[in-house]
Amino acid sequence: NAGVTQTPKFQVLKTGQSMTLQCAQDMNHEYMSWYRQDPGMGLRLIHYSVGAGITDQGEVPNGYNVSRSTTEDFPLRLLSAAPSQTSVYFCASSYSSSGPNTGELFFGEGSRLTVL
Amino acid sequence: ILNVEQSPQSLHVQEGDSTNFTCSFPSSNFYALHWYRWETAKSPEALFVMTLNGDEKKKGRISATLNTKEGYSYLYIKGSQPEDSATYLCAFRGLYKYIFGTGTRLKVLA
Repeated sequence: NAGVTQTPKFQVLKTGQSMTLQCAQDMNHEYMSWYRQDPGMGLRLIHYSVGAGITDQGEVPNGYNVSRSTTEDFPLRLLSAAPSQTSVYFCASSYSSSGPNTGELFFGEGSRLTVL
Repeated sequence: ILNVEQSPQSLHVQEGDSTNFTCSFPSSNFYALHWYRWETAKSPEALFVMTLNGDEKKKGRISATLNTKEGYSYLYIKGSQPEDSATYLCAFRGLYKYIFGTGTRLKVLA
């Protein structure tokens, strides 16, 4: 049972480089999301998707792009990396994006990104 | 801007002590309140999802209560054990967005 898989686990970038963090889930979850975790700030929502072809912005979307061409995959793209994007990134998915009795998030293992 | 606050930030207790943490959240546009347990070098894992005012949930020695009218939830751990050491996160769910608190870091001393 793979659950939510993120790659890479570690990455070092130079300022201005672009890269994609991959996220895949095998649970047929409708909802997928990306968070960044910074010291003292908790998990902050970057972008989310409620199904294939549908994405929307979270709290801190600037500098990041997402797409959702399939139910399984939700990649996060850094367009031009900046030192402020140094963080640990988590992908999470859940069964349903609506309805009060669902929505438990299943997290990937995280991706630690350093931008020099 | 929605704000979710957790207290205390960190806590050290002796093995066998009981303890509790607080999560306060907005009382409007409420869909659910989640509690997650986050061990070092692992990913957060869900403990409870609560949706109704007055909800009480229990899993072993850990329980949680919910008051949506006043916007708070308590997490209780009875008879803390060293393996309970972790960060406990709460998250306010407003339809499609989850707003996390900064967590309470618990250390249980043997």
